[in-house]
Amino acid sequence: AQTVTQSQPEMSVQEAETVTLSCTYDTSESDYYLFWYKQPPSRQMILVIRQEAYKQQNATENRFSVNFQKAAKSFSLKISDSQLGDAAMYFCAYRRSGYALNFGKGTSLLVTP
Amino acid sequence: GAGVSQSPSNKVTEKGKDVELRCDPISGHTALYWYRQSLGQGLEFLIYFQGNSAPDKSGLPSDRFSAERTGGSVSTLTIQRTQQEDSAVYLCASSVEGPPAWDEQFFGPGTRLTVL
Repeated sequence: AQTVTQSQPEMSVQEAETVTLSCTYDTSESDYYLFWYKQPPSRQMILVIRQEAYKQQNATENRFSVNFQKAAKSFSLKISDSQLGDAAMYFCAYRRSGYALNFGKGTSLLVTP
Repeated sequence: GAGVSQSPSNKVTEKGKDVELRCDPISGHTALYWYRQSLGQGLEFLIYFQGNSAPDKSGLPSDRFSAERTGGSVSTLTIQRTQQEDSAVYLCASSVEGPPAWDEQFFGPGTRLTVL
């Protein structure tokens, strides 16, 4: 079974600064997809960014970017110019075709003024 | 447009009672998923419906849990003889189709179940 590990239960960042959330995963598959989801206190899961394993280029979405290291099975999320609205739980997730998402336990991000 | 909706938003029940949780996916989405989020934990996969295929039930924790999807749309998750360890937030998600795994899953707001 695939496992997803987020080693940072909590992280803190000041407004306008940059923070990186870590994620590692374990799989024997070569074709899969990786995601970062955000869950604010409203409980609504929101997709932040996604990465196809066969693509070497790291995905970016505005202030959010990933550092995908396939050989190391690492998929970190970088948030630049952090904003108060970025405060939330962030979940890393893995998926291969035909299966549901496999989530890590999450990282709680606190943004301080 | 309407997103994924779930009802009830909150449910408090007594140990041993049966509960039904409902999910209305986005219209046209053929794939539907149920996940469970226990306090301080990530999301745990429960069951996955894809079109007319047999559902993937591999995540259901016990035979007290069952789910159905009627007419390829609305889904109901049923928990029989609830236990205190069933207390969690139950999240439903839908996507256009799966595979490919690229498709974004859209999540509902969840049902918070509390078993006393």
